[in-house]
Amino acid sequence: DTGVSQDPRHKITKRGQNVTFRCDPISEHNRLYWYRQTLGQGPEFLTYFQNEAQLEKSRLLSDRFSAERPKGSFSTLEIQRTEQGDSAMYLCASSPPYSRDEKLFFGSGTQLSVL
Amino acid sequence: AQRVTQPEKLLSVFKGAPVELKCNYSYSGSPELFWYVQYSRQRLQLLLRHISRESIKGFTADLNKGETSFHLKKPFAQEEDSAMYYCALSIRSNDYKLSFGAGTTVTVRA
Repeated sequence: DTGVSQDPRHKITKRGQNVTFRCDPISEHNRLYWYRQTLGQGPEFLTYFQNEAQLEKSRLLSDRFSAERPKGSFSTLEIQRTEQGDSAMYLCASSPPYSRDEKLFFGSGTQLSVL
Repeated sequence: AQRVTQPEKLLSVFKGAPVELKCNYSYSGSPELFWYVQYSRQRLQLLLRHISRESIKGFTADLNKGETSFHLKKPFAQEEDSAMYYCALSIRSNDYKLSFGAGTTVTVRA
């Protein structure tokens, strides 16, 4: 599968624990996005990388959240001291450098449940 | 701030009937509008974008700046069109920081 890969698919954790998710974008896609989706809602933008640089962060991204893309390839999203309100589907997406047929390619997501 | 509204949570139509999914947005500038679709057990994927002016899988959508709408239409629905549809907006060209609507679940009945 050459699509966007996310790991794990599901994560169950207890409140107060730290969790980390990984996203592997499509090869040569220099732009990487994280979105969060709660039940009954559309995805909400969290943050965006171009290569290794984190260019934008949503106000939704509290200081408990941190994202990295150290070598401009895969990315990690860490949530510290998880809260029940963090329960959601975390989606990663990537897009190629500017081109005529550019579009956003989504992964299957990581479903987080905080108990 | 920009906002996308999809007033219908659920839409049920019979096979062969026309289907229209409503999308309204609020943004004072010139946005880019998209429709994304998620079929059962599949990933979210782009269906169409307004600047392409394409018809994809028989679907079309016209950006109406006066009414701030981007409704998705198909004259003859097929069972394989059953899916979740999201309208999305970007305020900058070539920028995928998207604002999504809450989505419309479409069920096409035989």
